Amino acid sequence: AQSVAQPEDQVNVAEGNPLTVKCTYSVSGNPYLFWYVQYPNRGLQFLLKYITGDNLVKGSYGFEAEFNKSQTSFHLKKPSALVSDSALYFCAAGRGNTPLVFGKGTRLSVIA
Amino acid sequence: EAGVAQSPRYKIIEKRQSVAFWCNPISGHATLYWYQQILGQGPKLLIQFQNNGVVDDSQLPKDRFSAERLKGVDSTLKIQPAKLEDSAVYLCASSLEAGGYSYTQYFGPGTRLTVL
Repeated sequence: AQSVAQPEDQVNVAEGNPLTVKCTYSVSGNPYLFWYVQYPNRGLQFLLKYITGDNLVKGSYGFEAEFNKSQTSFHLKKPSALVSDSALYFCAAGRGNTPLVFGKGTRLSVIA
Repeated sequence: EAGVAQSPRYKIIEKRQSVAFWCNPISGHATLYWYQQILGQGPKLLIQFQNNGVVDDSQLPKDRFSAERLKGVDSTLKIQPAKLEDSAVYLCASSLEAGGYSYTQYFGPGTRLTVL
C-alpha cells in the first residue's frame, strides 16, 4: 500500500533562514508527488508537483522540492523563510490511477 | 477565476441526524473529489467523479455516506445517520483533466462538521 511520511510534526525556523520540510514516500514504480499548504480555515493550496523530468521542481512563493528516487524523498525547501510562510504543509503521493495519499502534515512556524 | 465553492462552512449536528454538503467546482473542471480530513491527519479520498460518473468510491462508507454529481457540475455529499467519528473537515477538490492522479487538484475551503 502507498504511504507518505512527514517525520516532523513541527518545524521552527527564524525569518530569513532557509527552511526544509521533509517528506518520504512508499509508492511502487514511478510516483506523482505533490506539496500543498493549508492556512487556518482554508482549503489546501497547491505549491508544486513532480510527475517526471527534472528532479528539482520549482513552485509558488519561492518554494522548491527535490525528487530523490534512491532515498524515496521529496523534501520541500525555501532559501529564505518569511513569517507569512507559517502554515500547515502536506506532502502527497500517488501513481497511475491510484488515489493520492497524504501525509499527516508538518506545521511550519517562522519566527520574526 | 473563481475557486471551488463549498457550503456550509460549518455544521453542528447530533449523532444519528443527517447532513448534506454542497460543492461547486471550478468551471470546466471534469473531475471532482470529496475528501475527509480528520483533525491531525491528512485528507483521505472518499469519492472521485469524472464528469457525472463515479471513478473511485472504494473508501466511501456506503452504509451511511452517499454522493452525487448533478449534470457533471455541482456535487452533494450526504451522511445519514451521522456518527461521532464523522466529525471532520470535508474538502471538495476539482481538476481540469480527467483520468489519473497526476493532475493538480484545486481545493475548496471545506466544511467543518461537528457531531455531538
